[in-house]
Amino acid sequence: GAGVSQTPSNKVTEKGKYVELRCDPISGHTALYWYRQSLGQGPEFLIYFQGTGAADDSGLPNDRFFAVRPEGSVSTLKIQRTERGDSAVYLCASSGDRGYGYTFGSGTRLTVV
Amino acid sequence: AQSVSQHNHHVILSEAASLELGCNYSYGGTVNLFWYVQYPGQHLQLLLKYFSGDPLVKGIKGFEAEFIKSKFSFNLRKPSVQWSDTAEYFCAVNPRLVDMLTFGGGTRLMVKP
Repeated sequence: GAGVSQTPSNKVTEKGKYVELRCDPISGHTALYWYRQSLGQGPEFLIYFQGTGAADDSGLPNDRFFAVRPEGSVSTLKIQRTERGDSAVYLCASSGDRGYGYTFGSGTRLTVV
Repeated sequence: AQSVSQHNHHVILSEAASLELGCNYSYGGTVNLFWYVQYPGQHLQLLLKYFSGDPLVKGIKGFEAEFIKSKFSFNLRKPSVQWSDTAEYFCAVNPRLVDMLTFGGGTRLMVKP
């Protein structure tokens, strides 16, 4: 597609539930990144994929968070047993050139009630 | 690990005023530097970037930034702001050949007409 697409744009879920957030990167971009942006803060790195594999998942806050990219294109961020502190905007970005800046999606606003 | 500081959290200017937003980073090696902008209700967009060469970088919409290596700074400037520049601005850094960006906390700019 022309840009990075994220769905849903908004998600409200109850504490303890499981959620999946989807990212469809720019066609041909091999690198895909997930960031989390809490209110009043800059985006914080979660995980980075190069192709199908997670090249760096050091930003995932705990084992409730997991992400996959099985075919090297679409990625899904999965959050188990959601907590109110998980409420944030989850951003996805993709890049075709290593280290030269990315294109961001519009994000998924997750609210855990 | 590297960090990025944006010292001005909120800036209010009148139209035609000059703008300078500070950005300092902590990392001793070679870095790539970026400024992103997020207009209300929109996704993060790349404003300008610096990789090497001339430390004065010109971006879109009349913005420019100057890399001062000795000060670990990459300040954003615009000689005359417009109401449409109202947005949040994020500075970001990645060490050369490291793929993830580290963002500052952002500066929210409001331009009064």
